[in-house]
Amino acid sequence: EAQVTQNPRYLITVTGKKLTVTCSQNMNHEYMSWYRQDPGLGLRQIYYSMNVEVTDKGDVPEGYKVSRKEKRNFPLILESPSPNQTSLYFCASSTLTGKTEAFFGQGTRLTVV
Amino acid sequence: RKEVEQDPGPFNVPEGATVAFNCTYSNSASQSFFWYRQDCRKEPKLLMSVYSSGNEDGRFTAQLNRASQYISLLIRDSKLSDSATYLCVVNRYSGYSTLTFGKGTMLLVSP
Repeated sequence: EAQVTQNPRYLITVTGKKLTVTCSQNMNHEYMSWYRQDPGLGLRQIYYSMNVEVTDKGDVPEGYKVSRKEKRNFPLILESPSPNQTSLYFCASSTLTGKTEAFFGQGTRLTVV
Repeated sequence: RKEVEQDPGPFNVPEGATVAFNCTYSNSASQSFFWYRQDCRKEPKLLMSVYSSGNEDGRFTAQLNRASQYISLLIRDSKLSDSATYLCVVNRYSGYSTLTFGKGTMLLVSP
């Protein structure tokens, strides 16, 4: 079954405590990306990756890091989380052309207090 | 002008109604078009791709007008289970995919 798996699904943390949200896909997709979704703002891209070791900033990259050491995994790292990073996060994967379906993980609801 | 614009709604309709959503996009280089459905706090899922000639999938019909940079989604015979947010998504490919999402249109179908 085609799947994008994110963990954890829910996370409450304190300001400044480093955290990682994992994302893994089983479709051998080259392209992976991270989005955050906030009320009234829709989905905004944080970072994307076109292949192993190739990553680039999206629209809202400040405060985030990513890595792509393996094709299937694309973790999102918050080195020093702040309350304005409280949001719903989605990982997605697709083919490089994007002409077919993009698959999303189930989402991670992050609260930073 | 925003890249992908949608009326946020909500659209409140009774069961059995026909409802139409519109979406406009600003980048004429856009190449692929989609409608995604998102249930409350869940991940977006592909509803249908949108082709230049228009396409239908059961009760759902999608249309694309490249000249006007306009996409539409028509839902006939609305069901309670159609209640969701519908995202208009536009893809531009220049070596890699760039998906741009509209903010979504909320549909509420009532008994």
